[in-house]
Amino acid sequence: NAGVTQTPKFQVLKTGQSMTLQCAQDMNHEYMSWYRQDPGMGLRLIHYSVGAGITDQGEVPNGYNVSRSTTEDFPLRLLSAAPSQTSVYFCASSNDRASGNTIYFGEGSWLTVV
Amino acid sequence: AQSVTQLDSQVPVFEEAPVELRCNYSSSVSVYLFWYVQYPNQGLQLLLKYLSGSTLVKGINGFEAEFNKSQTSFHLRKPSVHISDTAEYFCAVSDSRTKTSYDKVIFGPGTSLSVIP
Repeated sequence: NAGVTQTPKFQVLKTGQSMTLQCAQDMNHEYMSWYRQDPGMGLRLIHYSVGAGITDQGEVPNGYNVSRSTTEDFPLRLLSAAPSQTSVYFCASSNDRASGNTIYFGEGSWLTVV
Repeated sequence: AQSVTQLDSQVPVFEEAPVELRCNYSSSVSVYLFWYVQYPNQGLQLLLKYLSGSTLVKGINGFEAEFNKSQTSFHLRKPSVHISDTAEYFCAVSDSRTKTSYDKVIFGPGTSLSVIP
């Protein structure tokens, strides 16, 4: 019963480097998303996907790319890391687009950009 | 557009004492309301949610929240806290009118609850 799995849990990048945060869910959920969590700001939506092959931008998409080739996987790519992208990243999924549905979160990826 | 305010960024409380974490929202339309909890170094998990019906909602671990439409509030309460309740608590709101509002779930800034032995 894995739920939403994210890797890596911790990562340090140098400014300008690129990397991919991996996310997989085993609940056959239609919806997947990426949030970033910063102190005093709650969670902010970066990108989301309503199904395989369909993605859209959230509140803070700049500097990030996503793709959804399968129902299970939703990787987040940092194209050229900047110190402002130092944050905790959460992947999440939900089994329906209805806004009242529960969102299931991964355990988080702590990213530091130096 | 909706917004969420959590007035207390930190709430220290002694073990076995009652606690209330405050949440106010702003919206011109009907809403769904949620409380999520984040234990240290973990992701968020749903504590409880209000969709419709009774305004008093009971959740896991003895928590409950009351939806007050006139005061646009959804305060979280527990009559007696335990050390294991130490966590970050997030209030969230979404538009209940449409089926395509997944991306419109708005989270508050969070309240850090510290239970003191």
